[in-house]
Amino acid sequence: DQQVKQNSPSLSVQEGRISILNCDYTNSMFDYFLWYKKYPAEGPTFLISISSIKDKNEDGRFTVFLNKSAKHLSLHIVPSQPGDSAVYFCAASASGNAGNNRKLIWGLGTSLAVNP
Amino acid sequence: EPEVTQTPSHQVTQMGQEVILRCVPISNHLYFYWYRQILGQKVEFLVSFYNNEISEKSEIFDDQFSVERPDGSNFTLKIRSTKLEDSAMYFCASSGGRALYNSPLHFGNGTRLTVT
Repeated sequence: DQQVKQNSPSLSVQEGRISILNCDYTNSMFDYFLWYKKYPAEGPTFLISISSIKDKNEDGRFTVFLNKSAKHLSLHIVPSQPGDSAVYFCAASASGNAGNNRKLIWGLGTSLAVNP
Repeated sequence: EPEVTQTPSHQVTQMGQEVILRCVPISNHLYFYWYRQILGQKVEFLVSFYNNEISEKSEIFDDQFSVERPDGSNFTLKIRSTKLEDSAMYFCASSGGRALYNSPLHFGNGTRLTVT
C-alpha cells in the first residue's frame, strides 16, 4: 500500500536555512492532508494541515503547499532550527464533503536533522 | 496543554496471551482512535470509536481485537490472543470534533508491545 509516499528517508540542513520535505500521493479521493512531527519516544504531534480546496497554508515558520494536479505536497520550514530535528510524517484522509474525521493514511516519514 | 496518556509504555507478553493497552484521551474529546506502527513500517489505522461504538475499522482489526470505553475517561484496546506479528508501537489518539480541519488528532506517546 503506497498511497502516501515520502521518498526521502532523511534530510539534513543547516540552521537558518529552509527545510523542504516532500510527499506524494496516489489516491485522488484524498481531500485533506496533514503533517505530523515525531520526536523519539513520543507520539506524533500535529503540525499543520491543508484542505484540497487550497494550495497553500501557512503557520509561522511552517508552510504547506499542495499541488493537486501533481498529487504532491511539501512542507517548508524557514528558518530551520535545531529543535526542528525530528521525523516528519505526511498523512492524508478521504474525509468527504462533511470533512469527517476519517482514518489517516501515513507516509513512512522523513527524518530531518537541523545542524547548528 | 491537555495530553493523551497511554499505559504501560512498554508491555512484554508471551504469544497467545491477552493484553490490554490503556489510554486516557483528552477529557473533552469525543472521537477516539488506535493506530499502530510496526518497526520500520508505516503508521497504520486500526479503529475509530465514537458514541460508544466503532465507527470505522481496518482489515487489521480482526476478531482478536476489541476496544472499549469502560468509564468516562479510559479507552482500551484488547488483543485476545497475541501473535508475534502484533509486536508494534500502539498509539492512541483523540479528537474533539468530527472534522479534520478544526479537530486534528492528538496522539499519546504510545505503548510498545513486544510479543515473544
